[in-house]
Amino acid sequence: GNSVTQMEGPVTLSEEAFLTINCTYTATGYPSLFWYVQYPGEGLQLLLKATKADDKGSNKGFEATYRKETTSFHLEKGSVQVSDSAVYFCALTTDSWGKFQFGAGTQVVVTP
Amino acid sequence: DAGVIQSPRHEVTEMGQEVTLRCKPISGHDYLFWYRQTMMRGLELLIYFNNNVPIDDSGMPEDRFSAKMPNASFSTLKIQPSEPRDSAVYFCASGLSSYNEQFFGPGTRLTVL
Repeated sequence: GNSVTQMEGPVTLSEEAFLTINCTYTATGYPSLFWYVQYPGEGLQLLLKATKADDKGSNKGFEATYRKETTSFHLEKGSVQVSDSAVYFCALTTDSWGKFQFGAGTQVVVTP
Repeated sequence: DAGVIQSPRHEVTEMGQEVTLRCKPISGHDYLFWYRQTMMRGLELLIYFNNNVPIDDSGMPEDRFSAKMPNASFSTLKIQPSEPRDSAVYFCASGLSSYNEQFFGPGTRLTVL
């Protein structure tokens, strides 16, 4: 079956530091890959996505590249802000539409 | 667009009581999902609907849980009777089949005493 593994948190960083959150997956077929973000007290919001190998998704300074050879979709941001403190979820779907498989989530804490 | 609307935002009830959570998906979306989020188990898919028809309810934990979608603009998740281990945040999400993305509501925080 499909699964998503992401690094455990919390990840604590200082403002303007570089952020990487690792995500690897196993899937049948050709998955679409996603990063969602959850701010305190809110629902999940789509941050970025990639639908085929070598695609790069980007949004709000975050980037992730779909690496089929390493089955990975690592999230990066060059200079984090306090407002980036949140829980980040890696996810995939292999259906033309249907179930998403979410990772366990990684909490990121950015301090001033 | 107002986004996915859930009510209530917070619910506190006593063990054994019936709980009903409500969701209004984004207009025009043809998929609706119910999730449960806890610290121990993370985000779990409970059930999802396509065009108001339940497609997969394998995530529903037990018979105490039931979900309905009587029309395209409304869904309910019911727990009867509720137990303390049902305490969690319950999210509803909707999506459009031609655009592979889920839009989440703000969640209902359920506490069963």
